[in-house]
Amino acid sequence: DTGVSQDPRHKITKRGQNVTFRCDPISEHNRLYWYRQTLGQGPEFLTYFQNEAQLEKSRLLSDRFSAERPKGSFSTLEIQRTEQGDSAMYLCASSFFTGGPYEQYFGPGTRLTVT
Amino acid sequence: GEDVEQSLFLSVREGDSSVINCTYTDSSSTYLYWYKQEPGAGLQLLTYIFSNMDMKQDQRLTVLLNKKDKHLSLRIADTQTGDSAIYFCAEMNSGAGSYQLTFGKGTKLSVIP
Repeated sequence: DTGVSQDPRHKITKRGQNVTFRCDPISEHNRLYWYRQTLGQGPEFLTYFQNEAQLEKSRLLSDRFSAERPKGSFSTLEIQRTEQGDSAMYLCASSFFTGGPYEQYFGPGTRLTVT
Repeated sequence: GEDVEQSLFLSVREGDSSVINCTYTDSSSTYLYWYKQEPGAGLQLLTYIFSNMDMKQDQRLTVLLNKKDKHLSLRIADTQTGDSAIYFCAEMNSGAGSYQLTFGKGTKLSVIP
């Protein structure tokens, strides 16, 4: 039973560059979520998918951010023209949506550092 | 909007019980969760409680929910050094059709040997 995996685990990039992260959910999980966590804070919701449909987006998800889940399996999160304020841990979670309790299982995260 | 508050630090001696508290503002929260995060790692789901319950026990973990006061607590019995981590309380209001989790800032639990 493999859990949620994320790649890469760490990414250092220069300001203005584009970065892309990948998340592979637990197989059979039809919902996939992205969160962002900065130092000393709890995770903040960015967006989620049910299968390939993006159903909810946070106001935190600016125009520079885009997420996809093209075949309803893995997902990618792209940040264009990175800024220092984008430095954070990006967490992916998945769940199987049938009815409550909607438990979300998290991956290890991708730590982004923008220099 | 929804808000979840937790005290930031808790220190206990090994073998004692730990109680981590959380308050939330959304009276329509349907599920409340506790997650554990170790340094540099993702979040591990520990347990959850449905809003119409007032207590749930799972091995060393006991969750108490006071819905009237919007207060949630996590009790860890016989705390061990391996329990040292940051514990996050999170709420979900699935009744509003939103399945996002709203987290507190986390409580850092330090266990003294």
